[in-house]
Amino acid sequence: GIQVEQSPPDLILQEGANSTLRCNFSDSVNNLQWFHQNPWGQLINLFYIPSGTKQNGRLSATTVATERYSLLYISSSQTTDSGVYFCATFNTNAGKSTFGDGTTLTVKP
Amino acid sequence: DSGVTQTPKHLITATGQRVTLRCSPRSGDLSVYWYQQSLDQGLQFLIQYYNGEERAKGNILERFSAQQFPDLHSELNLSSLELGDSALYFCASSVALTGASSGNTIYFGEGSWLTVV
Repeated sequence: GIQVEQSPPDLILQEGANSTLRCNFSDSVNNLQWFHQNPWGQLINLFYIPSGTKQNGRLSATTVATERYSLLYISSSQTTDSGVYFCATFNTNAGKSTFGDGTTLTVKP
Repeated sequence: DSGVTQTPKHLITATGQRVTLRCSPRSGDLSVYWYQQSLDQGLQFLIQYYNGEERAKGNILERFSAQQFPDLHSELNLSSLELGDSALYFCASSVALTGASSGNTIYFGEGSWLTVV
């Protein structure tokens, strides 16, 4: 199956700092999404981004499908950004999905 | 609020027992997914249904089964429970089969916390 690797595994930032999270995937996908799991366990969809670049407020994401990676940018981080960020890929036809192990982000005030 | 409803939110049960987790997808979504999140296994895809039919199977144990009903709600049945089945179980839904159309965003429910004692 598809392998999904996220880096870094852990990230500690001071409030206001910027960060880049990376997701590498081992095979072609036509559905890639980024999620944020908050400290209460809720999984919130951030971006559906199989290719290209999208922005939503302080967050943006870029996927280069031909090179099999995606990046999530967080600018001017806030303590509420803390949690685990997952990227997930979905096989073209089979529907099986694979989540990375996540990046645990801690933003300190 | 994602629009995906899961019940119960918390459940404590004994080893060997059977439980049923319920999921109502977002209005209009035909595809339902089940995931298990445990500390040592991360987020694991279990199974997907689309409009009542099983469409993809992941790491689902034989002790577990699921179905999607005509009204599109889904149930995940977990039987002969073991301590290692303690986890957060997520249901998610999307409009179409994953990847079958652009913009097929997947939305997650808040999860059902299962503790097996």
